[in-house]
Amino acid sequence: AQTVTQSQPEMSVQEAETVTLSCTYDTSESDYYLFWYKQPPSRQMILVIRQEAYKQQNATENRFSVNFQKAAKSFSLKISDSQLGDAAMYFCAYRSAGAGGTSYGKLTFGQGTILTVHP
Amino acid sequence: NAGVTQTPKFRILKIGQSMTLQCTQDMNHNYMYWYRQDPGMGLKLIYYSVGAGITDKGEVPNGYNVSRSTTEDFPLRLELAAPSQTSVYFCASSYGEGELFFGEGSRLTVL
Repeated sequence: AQTVTQSQPEMSVQEAETVTLSCTYDTSESDYYLFWYKQPPSRQMILVIRQEAYKQQNATENRFSVNFQKAAKSFSLKISDSQLGDAAMYFCAYRSAGAGGTSYGKLTFGQGTILTVHP
Repeated sequence: NAGVTQTPKFRILKIGQSMTLQCTQDMNHNYMYWYRQDPGMGLKLIYYSVGAGITDKGEVPNGYNVSRSTTEDFPLRLELAAPSQTSVYFCASSYGEGELFFGEGSRLTVL
């Protein structure tokens, strides 16, 4: 079974600064997807960014980018120019690509990292 | 466009009571999921469904039941509530293995 580990229970950053959230995972599969989700106090889970394991290029979405190290099984999230609205719990998640689509979209989540943004 | 709607948003149960958490999606998604989130933890999969009439267990199915009679609805049933089922429950849906869309969660407390 796959596991996802987020070793930073809490992180903090000053507004406009850059912060990096860490995630490692364990899998024997070669084809999979990795995600970062944001969960603000409203509890709504919001997809931040997605990375396909077969792509060497790191995914980027505006101020959010990832550092995907497949051999090291590491998937960190960098938030640039942090804003007060970025304060939330962030979850790293894994999904098997599955032969013939047999993963059925099931996600395995890490424990989460609470991000505080100071003005 | 409502997306994924869960009801109720909050509920307090006594030990041994039963209840159903409702989940409806209006995106014509074929896949639906129930996750639970314990305090300070990530989400864990309870049950999932890949289409009407088809359901399967996830990582933590004990104490729960589901049904999927229509594409839109995927209710989660707790038969004999226990304190260990105190959690926040999330329903989600996707079209095939595309992006998952989550509901706003249902906070359940069992006393």
